[in-house]
Amino acid sequence: DGGITQSPKYLFRKEGQNVTLSCEQNLNHDAMYWYRQDPGQGLRLIYYSQIVNDFQKGDIAEGYSVSREKKESFPLTVTSAQKNPTAFYLCASSMFQLGRNQPQHFGDGTRLSIL
Amino acid sequence: KQEVTQIPAALSVPEGENLVLNCSFTDSAIYNLQWFRQDPGKGLTSLLLIQSSQREQTSGRLNASLDKSSGRSTLYIAASQPGDSATYLCAFYAGNNRKLIWGLGTSLAVNP
Repeated sequence: DGGITQSPKYLFRKEGQNVTLSCEQNLNHDAMYWYRQDPGQGLRLIYYSQIVNDFQKGDIAEGYSVSREKKESFPLTVTSAQKNPTAFYLCASSMFQLGRNQPQHFGDGTRLSIL
Repeated sequence: KQEVTQIPAALSVPEGENLVLNCSFTDSAIYNLQWFRQDPGKGLTSLLLIQSSQREQTSGRLNASLDKSSGRSTLYIAASQPGDSATYLCAFYAGNNRKLIWGLGTSLAVNP
């Protein structure tokens, strides 16, 4: 079945540690996105990528990094510079169509907590 | 500032009721609007996307409408079932840059 796979489902980070969240899609989508979800707040965009080897900062990119070496994969690294990383992280993807936004499809999320 | 407001924040109804969830937005120049469902601890499921040139979209028991002039969208759920219990989120695309502006959601409980 086509879809978006995020792993792990739960992740714990120690002080000063970088952690990487995986996101893989087999939908042949061009664009991929990372969002952060906190209680009482709307989803906030961290980074997005429209094509391989290219990505742009979203609204809250500080303390995060990404790469897009393959169309199917868009891993997110939460660095030690991110002082409040505890949140639910969601990865999404969509097709590209010139002049027309396509629906975004989401994975099941990764919940990151601080040890 | 572009904002999305969803009212009510929470809703509890008996099974079988028809119900309406509301979404209002401040930017009349939206390109399109998408409704999602989120179950507790899970990711989002896309329900309906309405292009700016459309006024409504239907999928099964769901119907979403879009009125750009008044800055409103509604999600109509017919004959609600306990399995419809979830948080419903609306988000609109502000321009063609694929960035979604999100509401906080309506938490729906359908009681058997």
